[in-house]
Amino acid sequence: DIQMTQSPSTVSASVGDRVTITCRATQNINSWLAWYQQKPGKAPRLLIYKASTLESGVPSRFSGSASGTEFTLTISSLQSDDFATYYCQQYESYWTFGQGTKVEFK
Amino acid sequence: QVQLQESGPGLVKPSDTLSLTCAISGGSVSSGSHFWSWIRQSPGKGLEFIAYILYNGANQYNPSLKSRVTISEDTSKSQFSLNLRSVTAADTGIYYCARGRGYGYGIDYWGQGTLVTVS
Repeated sequence: DIQMTQSPSTVSASVGDRVTITCRATQNINSWLAWYQQKPGKAPRLLIYKASTLESGVPSRFSGSASGTEFTLTISSLQSDDFATYYCQQYESYWTFGQGTKVEFK
Repeated sequence: QVQLQESGPGLVKPSDTLSLTCAISGGSVSSGSHFWSWIRQSPGKGLEFIAYILYNGANQYNPSLKSRVTISEDTSKSQFSLNLRSVTAADTGIYYCARGRGYGYGIDYWGQGTLVTVS
């Protein structure tokens, strides 16, 4: 089974900050990785797929990158609408999600 | 615009079978190369993949749930279903139906989720 380890579990940040979230896979997933944003009481929303491709309609302040089995989601300048929980997901072998990273107000 | 809507009982007794249905509007379970899936979220916790089914009936299950899960599709009614047998309190959570756009594209449409309590 492919496990996804996401860090940190919580990020405390302010509007305008640059935020970076990391997800590490236990084996090669060939960049078959997606990132989602989830707000309380809502379903997740797709932000990025194939590790770095921005989903249509997602602001360009979101970006994704990959280096081997380590994947990064970056929010270049945090906006008030971005306070939420973020999940990574691999789909190389069925699907598994990271544990989530909550971005909260500092 | 695809819309997904889960339906089923909100309360299930321990050892019973949890049965949920996802109605698809604006799309069809038999079209394209989409992955019609079930994902759950335990209270205050993360997301867990349960199963998906493709247009041709091929399916994939989470190995940890495989012995208790069946996913099926009803192309005539444009819906797909989940059966989870022998439930325990650990199966309590929000159950989402969702669509994987295609291999490599992530999950682009989600239902609103339905809370199932095992008690």
